[in-house]
Amino acid sequence: AQSVTQLGSHVSVSEGALVLLRCNYSSSVPPYLFWYVQYPNQGLQLLLKYTSAATLVKGINGFEAEFKKSETSFHLTKPSAHMRDAAEYFCAGRSQGGSEKLVFGKGTKLTVNP
Amino acid sequence: DTGVSQDPRHKITKRGQNVTFRCDPISEHNRLYWYRQTLGQGPEFLTYFQNEAQLEKSRLLSDRFSAERPKGSFSTLEIQRTEQGDSAMYLCASSPDGLGGNIQYFGAGTRLSVL
Repeated sequence: AQSVTQLGSHVSVSEGALVLLRCNYSSSVPPYLFWYVQYPNQGLQLLLKYTSAATLVKGINGFEAEFKKSETSFHLTKPSAHMRDAAEYFCAGRSQGGSEKLVFGKGTKLTVNP
Repeated sequence: DTGVSQDPRHKITKRGQNVTFRCDPISEHNRLYWYRQTLGQGPEFLTYFQNEAQLEKSRLLSDRFSAERPKGSFSTLEIQRTEQGDSAMYLCASSPDGLGGNIQYFGAGTRLSVL
């Protein structure tokens, strides 16, 4: 069964520092992968998605993620953190040719310090 | 705003009462999903509709839970005889038809508190 693991429930960075949020998936077939962001009391907003077209995916707000099959990873990065990036980030996967459901990781809460 | 709309945003109820939530998807989206999110966890899939047909249900969806999408537009999620463990954020999402990479767009959710 598809599973998604996010390493680190909390990540704290300084404003202007690199953001790295880790996500690993478990699947015999590379799945579709997504990163969503959730601000307090709001729904989830899509940052980016991987659908096998390109291994380096660029998203909104300066975020990008690289799909590495050999490491079964899909880590999210941003070169320079802004205060407005403080939120909770969820990695999610969906199996190819299988269930329609998204399987989410437990989330990583990002804090950006001034 | 043409995003996914959920009503109510917050619901407080007493244990044993029935509650119903409504979701209005993006108008041209045929697919509709319900998820549940508890504190400190990612969303967990509950059920999925393709138009009015409920095609997939999670084991999380006990017999106290029922979801409908009678005309293939809005959907309702009803919880009967609520329990404290039902306290959570209930999220609705919709997506267009297409290949598996189609994006699910989420509403702001309904936060349920069972006292």
